[in-house]
Amino acid sequence: EVKLLESGGGLVQPGGSMRLSCAASGFTFTDFYMYWIRQPAGKAPEWLGFIRNKANGYTTEYNPSVKGRFTISRDNTQNMLYLQMNTLRAEDTATYYCAGGLYWGQGVMVTVSS
Amino acid sequence: DIVMTQTPSSQAVSAGEKVTMSCKSSQSLLYSENKKNYLAWYQQKPGQSPKLLISWASTRESGVPDRFIGSGSGTDFTLTISSVQAEDLAVYYCEQYYDTPLTFGSGTKLEIK
Repeated sequence: EVKLLESGGGLVQPGGSMRLSCAASGFTFTDFYMYWIRQPAGKAPEWLGFIRNKANGYTTEYNPSVKGRFTISRDNTQNMLYLQMNTLRAEDTATYYCAGGLYWGQGVMVTVSS
Repeated sequence: DIVMTQTPSSQAVSAGEKVTMSCKSSQSLLYSENKKNYLAWYQQKPGQSPKLLISWASTRESGVPDRFIGSGSGTDFTLTISSVQAEDLAVYYCEQYYDTPLTFGSGTKLEIK
């Protein structure tokens, strides 16, 4: 059974940083592109970026809306995906999802507020 | 960026009825080399994460009921539910993966009368 479990969310002040983690299981992690997507309450999802699979050298692509502030990485020995978020703004408030293969995690809330 | 436009924003139907929803892209999602349309449909039920229903515009994922039908090519796509069930209450999103940044439509909310 494929499982994706995000963690690390919560409340952070504007200008602060936060790292989200995603624990993956049930599939061959290195075979898949892994994605981060966010969804503000009541709005459509927004793709943040992905990190390619082993065959494609684990390179990354980002949405220009977050490029330079957000960094995606993966630990293939632990089947973990990460999202490092810096210089956070109120508009970054959303539920953050990791996704891989055909599946999304259940999401984790990030609230940026003073 | 490729803009995805979904219509209607919401619709209410009775169980057993057929429903169609539209997704239009600002540029073609048909890749000429493989003749594939890089378009997916997701279903998001209340309080849940999105679930992939259809990829390549018309390929149902494993376990998705055959009442869900994706069609279209190029810039115009349709999701049809041939006989709506109560459990189909959800928001449906289209997504293009032809080019980065990947982009989603604003969704069609399906309500059951």
